[in-house]
Amino acid sequence: QVQLVQSGAEVKKPGASVKVSCKASGYTFNDYYIHWVRQAPGQGLEWMGWINPNSGGTNYIQKFQGRVTMTRDTSITTAYMELNSLRSDDTAVYYCAREDGNYQLYYFDFWGQGTPVTVSS
Amino acid sequence: SSELTQDPAVSVALGQTVKITCQGDSMRRYYASWYQQKPGQAPVLVIFGKHDRPSGVPDRFSGSSSGNTASLTITGAQAEDEADYYCYSRDSIGNHRVFGTGTKVTVL
Repeated sequence: QVQLVQSGAEVKKPGASVKVSCKASGYTFNDYYIHWVRQAPGQGLEWMGWINPNSGGTNYIQKFQGRVTMTRDTSITTAYMELNSLRSDDTAVYYCAREDGNYQLYYFDFWGQGTPVTVSS
Repeated sequence: SSELTQDPAVSVALGQTVKITCQGDSMRRYYASWYQQKPGQAPVLVIFGKHDRPSGVPDRFSGSSSGNTASLTITGAQAEDEADYYCYSRDSIGNHRVFGTGTKVTVL
């Protein structure tokens, strides 16, 4: 069965970096893009970007350009999201999700359990 | 980037029907998918494409689309349907993605 298992909760100080992992299993890792989505406390879902596990190509929303890096290690079917220069408003739950579909239809059929990241001095 | 606008909150009596809408330019080019999120849990896919449901999702959930608006309808709402619902699609600009603003559904 398909599973995305994320790393555990993190507490960071402002200005630090955090790297969240997403271990995929139960399917061919290279065949599906992995996306990262975050949700601040009491807020909605915010799309951050994606990585193509096959090529390593990435696409980030403008808001995070220069601060976020998405990578993968195909040997261990794991995707990573690193966010730098953390601020208090980066406090959120970070999710990875597998995307299916193409052309006119895109959807997330499997999600990780979420990784809470708290940024506090 | 584009925006997908949803009503912040709706309420529905137990067993009645509620329709949640998602409005935005990208809806003219791309289909929406819909996610249910309960407190403290990851989102769950409930509708994708015109009207497809993943296995295990009750058939009281249905989707539709017209012009720049996609809709999720719950016919015969149950107490367990109380949750936040988000639409999602590819952005009309570039290869980005976008979520709707979210709708909190309360079952009375």
